[in-house]
Amino acid sequence: QVHLVESGGGVVQPGRSLRLSCAASGFSFNIYGMHWVRQAPGKGLEWVAHISHDGSIKNQADSVKGRFTISRDNSKNTLYLQMNSLRPEDTAVYYCAKPKLVSAAMPYFDFWGQGTLVTVSS
Amino acid sequence: SYELTQPPSVSVSPGQTATITCSGDKLGDTYAYWYQQKPGQSPVLVIYQDDKRPSGIRERFSGSNSGNTATLTISGTQTMDEADYYCQTWVSSTVVFGGGTKLTVL
Repeated sequence: QVHLVESGGGVVQPGRSLRLSCAASGFSFNIYGMHWVRQAPGKGLEWVAHISHDGSIKNQADSVKGRFTISRDNSKNTLYLQMNSLRPEDTAVYYCAKPKLVSAAMPYFDFWGQGTLVTVSS
Repeated sequence: SYELTQPPSVSVSPGQTATITCSGDKLGDTYAYWYQQKPGQSPVLVIYQDDKRPSGIRERFSGSNSGNTATLTISGTQTMDEADYYCQTWVSSTVVFGGGTKLTVL
């Protein structure tokens, strides 16, 4: 059974940093690209970042480019999101999401974690 | 940047058909996907590759995609279908979500 468990959320002041983790199990983590998706309180889903199965390819949304870095450790079956220079508008539940297909093209998500809440506030 | 537009809300009576649209430039030239999200829960995939249902999704959920519009149709809507629905596609190496539609069944 696929499990994705996010952790690392919390309350942080504007301008500070936070690192999120997503522990994966129940599937061959090292052959799947992985994604982060966020959802601000009462708002819709927003894609944040993608990393290829081996970490060689990374894409980010324009809203986080230059501030957030996605990475992974296949030996630990764990996905990360390093968030720097946090802003109040980054306040959201952050989900890690597994695409249905191994291929990086046209991803869609068959499993989501439960999410971890990040609150950026002074 | 590419945008997907959904109506903010749709209302339907139990047993009737609910139709939720998702509009984007030449959306029909690519695939559309749909997710259901209930309060406090993570999204669940209900339609993939325009019109396919994942295992475990009820037959009353169907989809289509042509031109600039993808459509999610829920036939014989039940109260358990009340949720937010999001369309999604993939453009220029980025995942794009629609703004979401709140489906009310009353």
